Amino acid sequence: GQNIDQPTEMTATEGAIVQINCTYQTSGFNGLFWYQQHAGEAPTFLSYNVLDGLEEKGRFSSFLSRSKGYSYLLLKELQMKDSASYLCAVRDYQLIWGAGTKLIIKP
Amino acid sequence: GAVVSQHPSRVICKSGTSVKIECRSLDFQATTMFWYRQFPKQSLMLMATSNEGSKATYEQGVEKDKFLINHASLTLSTLTVTSAHPEDSSFYICSAREGVDGYTFGSGTRLTVV
Repeated sequence: GQNIDQPTEMTATEGAIVQINCTYQTSGFNGLFWYQQHAGEAPTFLSYNVLDGLEEKGRFSSFLSRSKGYSYLLLKELQMKDSASYLCAVRDYQLIWGAGTKLIIKP
Repeated sequence: GAVVSQHPSRVICKSGTSVKIECRSLDFQATTMFWYRQFPKQSLMLMATSNEGSKATYEQGVEKDKFLINHASLTLSTLTVTSAHPEDSSFYICSAREGVDGYTFGSGTRLTVV
């Protein structure tokens, strides 16, 4: 079956680093996306990985290991505005969504 | 970058009435658009995939006669919730595929049926 797992909730401190993990089991794989979603708003695109390795974009980085069915999103220098849900999605023939990880940033 | 305009952003309607939600790609042609609904504290649930000029493909459990989707042009897709009931109250979000790897979301529509 199709399955994407991510932690339900994580807490981190402002200025710190946090890693949000995502594991997946899908029948096919054509890329993995990370999205940020603030409460009551639509998701916004953060990153896309299709090859193994690390993609860095400013404070955010995303890693993929296709052989392990594993990805993580790394957020550095956390800011209060980073408090949001982070959604992992895998593209098979369509996007399959994880349930999202609610990230709480404390001062 | 690619922009998808969705409106209305919020709508309150009476039970039994119909509501139309529009999704427009502003600076690109979207041959494929996706409609999602999202309940509080839950992930996105794909309702249907609409392709320009053809009938939408609905996910299992989604009533096609209740959620009418029209994708008449390369820049516009509409979702009409017919005979709305309180249980249809949700956050509806459209997404358009741009190119091979890009997915752009509309801003979402908060539907409340009273």
